[in-house]
Amino acid sequence: GESVGLHLPTLSVQEGDNSIINCAYSNSASDYFIWYKQESGKGPQFIIDIRSNMDKRQGQRVTVLLNKTVKHLSLQIAATQPGDSAVYFCAESDNAGNMLTFGGGTRLMVKP
Amino acid sequence: DTEVTQTPKHLVMGMTNKKSLKCEQHMGHRAMYWYKQKAKKPPELMFVYSYEKLSINESVPSRFSPECPNSSLLNLHLHALQPEDSALYLCASSPAVRGSAEAFFGQGTRLTVV
Repeated sequence: GESVGLHLPTLSVQEGDNSIINCAYSNSASDYFIWYKQESGKGPQFIIDIRSNMDKRQGQRVTVLLNKTVKHLSLQIAATQPGDSAVYFCAESDNAGNMLTFGGGTRLMVKP
Repeated sequence: DTEVTQTPKHLVMGMTNKKSLKCEQHMGHRAMYWYKQKAKKPPELMFVYSYEKLSINESVPSRFSPECPNSSLLNLHLHALQPEDSALYLCASSPAVRGSAEAFFGQGTRLTVV
């Protein structure tokens, strides 16, 4: 079936650098694309979402980019901090927020 | 209150046992979900309840039985599980209104089947 996936399983960055986490999707019918952060021993935590009719959305220190031409989603984290260390999942849903599919996850490791 | 509370946090059960996982939210969300997550894997959707009615069942074996007693509570009844069912079981809720994709997750129940 259609799925949401990720390119890199592990990303290691220096504290203070910017991080970019990527995701490829195949379901063009999704209304929302969402990024979640999951720390060890915890449930996923919502970071930011973007509607399918948008290209870019910014939050606090995070930016999500959507490229519908190549079906690519990315999460940019500015000035990465040790507290950003976690596994990041992309996901897609319909307009009512019915969570359907998570991507494979990327582990972000921040070196002090 | 923006929390989804799951109990118990940890559960060890035998293959002949019957147990239940519980989930509670007081955010007024009308959609609630059960996910299963194996180690180093993404959460996999099991069930979706929308306005207390089961709307999605992702071909989950009948040894897992969901129940939504009211808009704040979601249960997952377990019976005759297999060792491969050991996983982190996550509950989530969302407003279930158009224009909102944010879902809130609980901390999960770590289930071990022996």
